[in-house]
Amino acid sequence: DAKTTQPNSMESNEEEPVHLPCNHSTISGTDYIHWYRQLPSQGPEYVIHGLTSNVNNRMASLAIAEDRKSSTLILHRATLRDAAVYYCILRGGVTTLFSGAGSYQLTFGKGTKLSVIP
Amino acid sequence: KAGVTQTPRYLIKTRGQQVTLSCSPISGHRSVSWYQQTPGQGLQFLFEYFSETQRNKGNFPGRFSGRQFSNSRSEMNVSTLELGDSALYLCASSLRGVEETQYFGPGTRLLVL
Repeated sequence: DAKTTQPNSMESNEEEPVHLPCNHSTISGTDYIHWYRQLPSQGPEYVIHGLTSNVNNRMASLAIAEDRKSSTLILHRATLRDAAVYYCILRGGVTTLFSGAGSYQLTFGKGTKLSVIP
Repeated sequence: KAGVTQTPRYLIKTRGQQVTLSCSPISGHRSVSWYQQTPGQGLQFLFEYFSETQRNKGNFPGRFSGRQFSNSRSEMNVSTLELGDSALYLCASSLRGVEETQYFGPGTRLLVL
């Protein structure tokens, strides 16, 4: 599986934007870039995902480099509730043609621990 | 819509015992995946089930097994427990498993003494 590299930790002031980087230089052409986060004492939760184009949703924005070897998760205004470990993940797997479904697994790295300072 | 539920939430076992963990996916979701989370190894994929069939398997010994029922509920079994099996076991569900958002449960924290 292609691997991702993220900084171990980052800090942000409350209500300021946060840019969380992720390097994935061995990404394949069909790999989607997913971001999940894990708040303390909870299971991971989905944040956003994309393939080639930048993506926006109510939680965050995802900026993908033109060569797809890196991406950045953008939290527009960090709040204390955004303090979590953020995982950048490449979706691996194979789609089978007959069933229309395929295998799916998430390969988590160490993630980036984001601290938000009030 | 109810989220993914896992039972029990906490469990204490001794070495050599076996344990069964349960996961109820979100209604309508047919794919269930299991993950192990430890401080040293982080989150690691165990296996995925779709329509009662194991479709994908991570790099874990055969002591770790699972199954999925016709209602998509899934169980994970660990036999002959070792101290290193102490971990948070997370279950995630999705509609079909391909390019789908994974919804995680709160996890079962297993302590092996």
